[in-house]
Amino acid sequence: SYVLTQPPSVSVVPGETAMIPCGANNIGSKNVHWYQQKPGQAPVLVIYSDSDRPSEIPARFSGSNSGNTATLSISRVEAGDEADYYCQVWDSTVDYVFGSGTTVTVL
Amino acid sequence: QVQLVESGGDVVQPGRSLRLSCTASGFIFSNYAMNWVRQAPGKGLEWVAVLSFDPNIEYYADSVKARFIISRDDSKNTLYLQMNSLRVEDTAVYYCAREAGDGTDAFDIWGQGTLVTVSS
Repeated sequence: SYVLTQPPSVSVVPGETAMIPCGANNIGSKNVHWYQQKPGQAPVLVIYSDSDRPSEIPARFSGSNSGNTATLSISRVEAGDEADYYCQVWDSTVDYVFGSGTTVTVL
Repeated sequence: QVQLVESGGDVVQPGRSLRLSCTASGFIFSNYAMNWVRQAPGKGLEWVAVLSFDPNIEYYADSVKARFIISRDDSKNTLYLQMNSLRVEDTAVYYCAREAGDGTDAFDIWGQGTLVTVSS
C-alpha cells in the first residue's frame, strides 16, 4: 500500500505563511494534488501536478514536491483560508489515495 | 456552468442495496474519466472507484471491491454507483468528481455530495 502522511493540524497567524507537508516514500516521483475543504462543503482543487494552480485559485497558494515530502504553502494567510487540506496521488498499488488531511487554523 | 449533481442517498439497512446517480452539465461528459469519493462523518476523503472513457475501464478501492459497481450512461450525462451488500462502515457522504484530463489526474470538479446512512 501507499500511505500519505499529513499532520492533523497547522496553526498560523494572519498574514504569515502556512506550510502543510504531505510525506510518503519517494513522493517526489509522483504528481501531487491538493484540495481545500471547508465545513459542509465539497472539496475544491487548489493545486494540481505538484505546483500548478487552477485559474480561479489565488496566487497565494503554491506547491512543491521533492524527495519524500510534498508541501502546500499558503502565503499571507487570511481567515477565509481556514479549512481542511488534503493531498492526493495516484499509485499503482492503491490507485488513488488521499492523505489524512490537515486542519488549518488561523489564530 | 460546469456542474455535477449527485442524488440517491438514503437510509438503508445493512446488507441492502442502493444506487447513486451523478448528473453532469456544462461539459462533454463522454470525454472525461469520472470518480466516486466518500467521506465518513468526521473523517477524511476516501477514493472509491473510477471509470475511464473510451475504453471504459473500472478500478475500485479494496474496501468496496466486489460489492460496488461504477457505470455511466453518456447519453444521459450520468454516472452511477451501484452499492450492494452495504455495511455500517459504508456510511458516508458520496461525492462524484471529474478528472481534469489534459495530462493530469486531478479531480477538478466535484458535486455537492449525497449522504448514505447504513443502519439497522
